[in-house]
Amino acid sequence: GESVGLHLPTLSVQEGDNSIINCAYSNSASDYFIWYKQESGKGPQFIIDIRSNMDKRQGQRVTVLLNKTVKHLSLQIAATQPGDSAVYFCAEDDRMDSSYKLIFGSGTRLLVRP
Amino acid sequence: NAGVTQTPKFQVLKTGQSMTLQCAQDMNHNSMYWYRQDPGMGLRLIYYSASEGTTDKGEVPNGYNVSRLNKREFSLRLESAAPSQTSVYFCASSGRTALAFFGQGTRLTVV
Repeated sequence: GESVGLHLPTLSVQEGDNSIINCAYSNSASDYFIWYKQESGKGPQFIIDIRSNMDKRQGQRVTVLLNKTVKHLSLQIAATQPGDSAVYFCAEDDRMDSSYKLIFGSGTRLLVRP
Repeated sequence: NAGVTQTPKFQVLKTGQSMTLQCAQDMNHNSMYWYRQDPGMGLRLIYYSASEGTTDKGEVPNGYNVSRLNKREFSLRLESAAPSQTSVYFCASSGRTALAFFGQGTRLTVV
């Protein structure tokens, strides 16, 4: 099946800087995308989502951008903090049938330097 | 609300042994999922259940069976464990969208 992938496996940023994590998806029929954060030893936690009828969605310190033309997602974290250190996954809703299921990318590790 | 609860949290099996991973959710979600996560990799879907009474294969179903016992519970069974099944297993559930909420994982080692 089609899959979601990420450009950078590890991203190192200075505390206080903005972080941008990128994701490419290949299923042009996907209409729902989610970013998850996974801290060491824990399950993935929801950060923010976006539907394909939107280009941008903002949360608290996070923004997701969707470019359907090039099938690209990005997660922007403003004023990155040490607590943001984690692995970030994008996921797409693989609507092969009427059921919901998510297909995950391989993840990007974000390291925040003090 | 506990969300999604998985048991056990850790397990070591010998090759050929069997075991069942348990998962329960208290969010009244229709859909439940089992994923595996290998070191440094993303999550791969093993099986899912779109509603009580139905189950379907995901990306990597070989070597596993599942049971949707009721709306709350979805178990994953390894009939004859192999070292290749050493992984972290996550259960998740979702309601009216694909937004899934995950448990804390079961760390399984097969020796």
